[in-house]
Amino acid sequence: DTGVSQDPRHKITKRGQNVTFRCDPISEHNRLYWYRQTLGQGPEFLTYFQNEAQLEKSRLLSDRFSAERPKGSFSTLEIQRTEQGDSAMYLCASSFDRDLNEKLFFGSGTQLSVL
Amino acid sequence: QKEVEQNSGPLSVPEGAIASLNCTYSDRGSQSFFWYRQYSGKSPELIMFIYSNGDKEDGRFTAQLNKASQYVSLLIRDSQPSDSATYLCAVKTSYDKVIFGPGTSLSVIP
Repeated sequence: DTGVSQDPRHKITKRGQNVTFRCDPISEHNRLYWYRQTLGQGPEFLTYFQNEAQLEKSRLLSDRFSAERPKGSFSTLEIQRTEQGDSAMYLCASSFDRDLNEKLFFGSGTQLSVL
Repeated sequence: QKEVEQNSGPLSVPEGAIASLNCTYSDRGSQSFFWYRQYSGKSPELIMFIYSNGDKEDGRFTAQLNKASQYVSLLIRDSQPSDSATYLCAVKTSYDKVIFGPGTSLSVIP
C-alpha cells in the first residue's frame, strides 16, 4: 500500500492555458474523489467516481473542468482555459465504499497557481 | 444554507483544557459523520467516525451525534499543543458522497 499519489505537486500556468492533474488511488479502493481547497477553507467537492463511473459532478463546477477515471484505476482532472480564480490546492482522495465508515485517504495534493 | 457548517474560529484553549468543536448539516438523510484533522500544509486525516446517535469515545476524543438536531460535535480532552490544527467535519450524505465543512482552526496554548 503506497497511498494515494498525485502528480504534479505544483503547477504554475498562465491564464488561458489548459492543465491536467493525475491521481493514483490505493489499488483496492473503488471510489475516487476530487476536491478543491483554498486557504482557510474546507475541501470543496468537485466530483467522484465509483470504479470507472462518474457519479456526480458539482453543479458549481464550470464546464471547463472535466475528470475521467478510465478502467477504474487512476484519474485525471483537466481544467481548460484556466482563470486566476482556479488557483487552489486540488486534492484527490480514495476510499472503499463497503459500509457507512467510508474513510477517505488523501493524496498530498496539486497546488495550482494561475498567473 | 451551506450543506455543512462549523463554528467559526479560530478557537484557542489552554493546554489541558477541553476543546469543543461543533458542526451542523442540512441533509436530514445523511448517513455517517466524520472528523478529520488537517495540519498546516498537510492533507486531512481521519480521527473519528460516528453514525449512531449518542457518544463515541476514542482516547482523548469524543464524538457526539444528534440526528434530530442535525448536529455533530467533537470534544478533545486534555488538549495538547500537538492538537493545534484545523478540524474538518465531513458528512456522507443521502446521495452517498462525502462533503466537508469549512473547518475550525484550533490553537492549544502551552
